[in-house]
Amino acid sequence: QLQLQESGPGLVKPSETLSLTCSVSGDSINTNSYYWAWIRQPPGRGLEWIGSVFRSGNTYNSPSLQSRVTISIDTSSNHFSLRLRSVTAADTAFYYCARHRFGDFRGFDYWGQGALVTVSS
Amino acid sequence: EIVLAQSPDTLSLSPGERATLSCRASQTVTYLAWYQQKPGQAPRLLIYDTSTRATGIPARFSGSGSETDFTLTISSLEPEDFAVYYCQQRTNWRVTFGPGTKVDIK
Repeated sequence: QLQLQESGPGLVKPSETLSLTCSVSGDSINTNSYYWAWIRQPPGRGLEWIGSVFRSGNTYNSPSLQSRVTISIDTSSNHFSLRLRSVTAADTAFYYCARHRFGDFRGFDYWGQGALVTVSS
Repeated sequence: EIVLAQSPDTLSLSPGERATLSCRASQTVTYLAWYQQKPGQAPRLLIYDTSTRATGIPARFSGSGSETDFTLTISSLEPEDFAVYYCQQRTNWRVTFGPGTKVDIK
């Protein structure tokens, strides 16, 4: 059974960099079949896709966050990561990692449980 | 960016009733999916490619539509179906979600 688990600091100061890792178990992320994605949700609000990464390291990101986001993948450790620079209070959210197919898009079919990151001094 | 609008914001129904949720896109979309989210949980994929049920999703959930107008129907609400539902699209390597429809108990 595939499982995804987010980890990282729960509190980040304004202007600093938010860093999260998604550890994947139950299958290898070194696959040509899937992309690995980050999605966030401010408390009590809707979902926002941040970006997706392929095994090769190729990414595609939300245009609104593109300038501040880096998503990377480490196939040897079976995890992928998110870095979001210059954070503000507006970046406070639950951050989810998820998976979607390469090629025909068939939705985000597996999700982590989510990690709350609060931006505050 | 393609904007998704969902209606209604809230749908108040009783168990056993039929729920019809709408998702309208600002442009024609390529792929359309639906998710269910309960408090404290990650979203769960219900429908992908407009009308295909994801693995393990009961037959009372169905999706339909095309181009800019899409519908999620729950034929007969079960107690566990009261939740928030999101539509989501991917077109030209861009992904956006709708704001959600809350289905609550009348």
